Amino acid sequence: DAGVIQSPRHEVTEMGQEVTLRCKPISGHNSLFWYRQTMMRGLELLIYFNNNVPIDDSGMPEDRFSAKMPNASFSTLKIQPSEPRDSAVYFCASSQGSQAGAMYNEQFFGPGTRLTVL
Amino acid sequence: RKEVEQDPGPFNVPEGATVAFNCTYSNSASQSFFWYRQDCRKEPKLLMSVYSSGNEDGRFTAQLNRASQYISLLIRDSKLSDSATYLCVALLNTDKLIFGTGTRLQVFP
Repeated sequence: DAGVIQSPRHEVTEMGQEVTLRCKPISGHNSLFWYRQTMMRGLELLIYFNNNVPIDDSGMPEDRFSAKMPNASFSTLKIQPSEPRDSAVYFCASSQGSQAGAMYNEQFFGPGTRLTVL
Repeated sequence: RKEVEQDPGPFNVPEGATVAFNCTYSNSASQSFFWYRQDCRKEPKLLMSVYSSGNEDGRFTAQLNRASQYISLLIRDSKLSDSATYLCVALLNTDKLIFGTGTRLQVFP
């Protein structure tokens, strides 16, 4: 079975450019999470969706970041405009479970997108 | 103070050794705990959940001490393949997963 799929795997862009990261969760999973990982701050939850609805976006750093989930099999995380401090590895993860239970269940992570903003 | 704190390591141990990591959490409202494993330049994967009574999975034992607000992971008979970063995770209330920055383990021959 295919796991969580993310694209692109690597992205190098210049400051000020728009960046779009893509994620396809595991089929049948109804919760989707976007994380950012840096050496200094570790893994931080940015936003999570349950049944395609954003439940908690308190981790989104600022208005430059936005996330959408138009259907159960696709989500995007967009950064516009990008800045050098956005350089990190961005992971998408999915899990099964209701809104209340999603956090208790195992999260399956994608391979991540390594973003470098010059 | 970080909500979940771990010693970053690295812990360098020989094959066959027993090694233990601790992780402390600051919020007593944390309800559930997990250990994830992350290999170099790979994604995190669930290693095990941590139950109040402690739990064991093969060579791995997880313990929870609510009074002192720490979680531990014990690895017995270390293998080369155990080399990885181990992430401690706390679930705050029911909707916020907080990850530690990880403890790096290097097992040498």
